[in-house]
Amino acid sequence: GAGVSQTPSNKVTEKGKYVELRCDPISGHTALYWYRQSLGQGPEFLIYFQGTGAADDSGLPNDRFFAVRPEGSVSTLKIQRTERGDSAVYLCASSLRGVSETQYFGPGTRLLVL
Amino acid sequence: AQSVTQPDIHITVSEGASLELRCNYSYGATPYLFWYVQSPGQGLQLLLKYFSGDTLVQGIKGFEAEFKRSQSSFNLRKPSVHWSDAAEYFCAASNDYKLSFGAGTTVTVRA
Repeated sequence: GAGVSQTPSNKVTEKGKYVELRCDPISGHTALYWYRQSLGQGPEFLIYFQGTGAADDSGLPNDRFFAVRPEGSVSTLKIQRTERGDSAVYLCASSLRGVSETQYFGPGTRLLVL
Repeated sequence: AQSVTQPDIHITVSEGASLELRCNYSYGATPYLFWYVQSPGQGLQLLLKYFSGDTLVQGIKGFEAEFKRSQSSFNLRKPSVHWSDAAEYFCAASNDYKLSFGAGTTVTVRA
């Protein structure tokens, strides 16, 4: 079956601009996660959704970052006033439920802020 | 603080030779443990996971990992490496839903 998909695969933007990154989880997965992977590092947790609600957004670095999942399926990560330091690969994952479940990752969106 | 350490940034191995990747964790209680592989342009793929029980875990692609509580380690092994195993490998741990990853080990396979 279809895995987790993310669009766009690459995004180049200018400092100060607004970007949206989209994630389509595996059908039927109630849990969705966003991670950020900077060059040479492992992914770092950003936010966890259970259904439509953000159960844990403790990893969001500041208030320029926001994520939604209005219908409990597709999620959008939104970054306002982008900075060069936001350049990274943004990974989305989903799991059937939540705690102790295997997380299945998408291919990521590579964001470059010039 | 909870953390996962992968001491080796880069490993080069000959095709057909054995491979061992090291992983150490620092958690209050034994976490769930995972190994993922990431090939260029592709997402993270789960190789294997340990939740409890048998400390030797078998995974996909001929990989296995051994959990050692006394050493807080979860090392990944493969007896005979194939050229297609060249990739970046990440160890991860979790005690709920939040995965903490190591910095990764890049594996190069030489002919």
